[in-house]
Amino acid sequence: DIQLTQSPSFLSASVGDRVTITCRASQGISNHLTWYQQKPGKAPKLLIYGASTLQSGAPSRFSGSGSGTEFTLTIGSLLPDDFASYYCQQLDTYPLTFGGGTKVEIK
Amino acid sequence: QALLVESGGGVVQPERSLRLSCAASGFSFSNHAIHWVRQAPGKGLEWVAVIAYDGTNIHYADSVKGRFSISRDNSKNTVYLQMSSLRAEDTAVYYCARDRPRDDYGDLRFDYWGQGTLVTVSS
Repeated sequence: DIQLTQSPSFLSASVGDRVTITCRASQGISNHLTWYQQKPGKAPKLLIYGASTLQSGAPSRFSGSGSGTEFTLTIGSLLPDDFASYYCQQLDTYPLTFGGGTKVEIK
Repeated sequence: QALLVESGGGVVQPERSLRLSCAASGFSFSNHAIHWVRQAPGKGLEWVAVIAYDGTNIHYADSVKGRFSISRDNSKNTVYLQMSSLRAEDTAVYYCARDRPRDDYGDLRFDYWGQGTLVTVSS
């Protein structure tokens, strides 16, 4: 199975900060990676697919990059609404797998 | 607007069975694969299973293979997850999620999710 390692697992940041989350795959997955945002008690929300394509309706301050085994999610300037957990997911090979998550909290 | 609604969760004893349903509306259901994803309390997301738009292609996570069975009824716009031999570690919120349309050859993505249904396995 393909393992996804997210870092950091926890991040404390302030409104206005630029934030970067990394996701590393245990083997190459081309660009078959998505990013989701999840708030407590809610279903995940798609932000980025194909490693870098912004989902319709997702704010433009979110961006994704990477290919192969190294991927990043960047939030250009944190807003209060962005404090949440973020997960990467590989859709290259079954079984599909998720990263362990990154919780972004207010400093 | 696409909508997915899960149901069937509840408290069940270990080794018993439970069937979850995912009812869809607002889109062409028979054009989409549907996935189940679960989340144990306070933990991360775990992919569980997928069924293709026509039911011909199915995959499972190793953790549920042989115990869970996914199926769909396109006439009822519903996907089912039959869970048997349940264990305490199956306790989780179970979400269903929609994949891209079958005629979209772009990247896979789960663009709509249900609100989830809680399954608690406990004696």
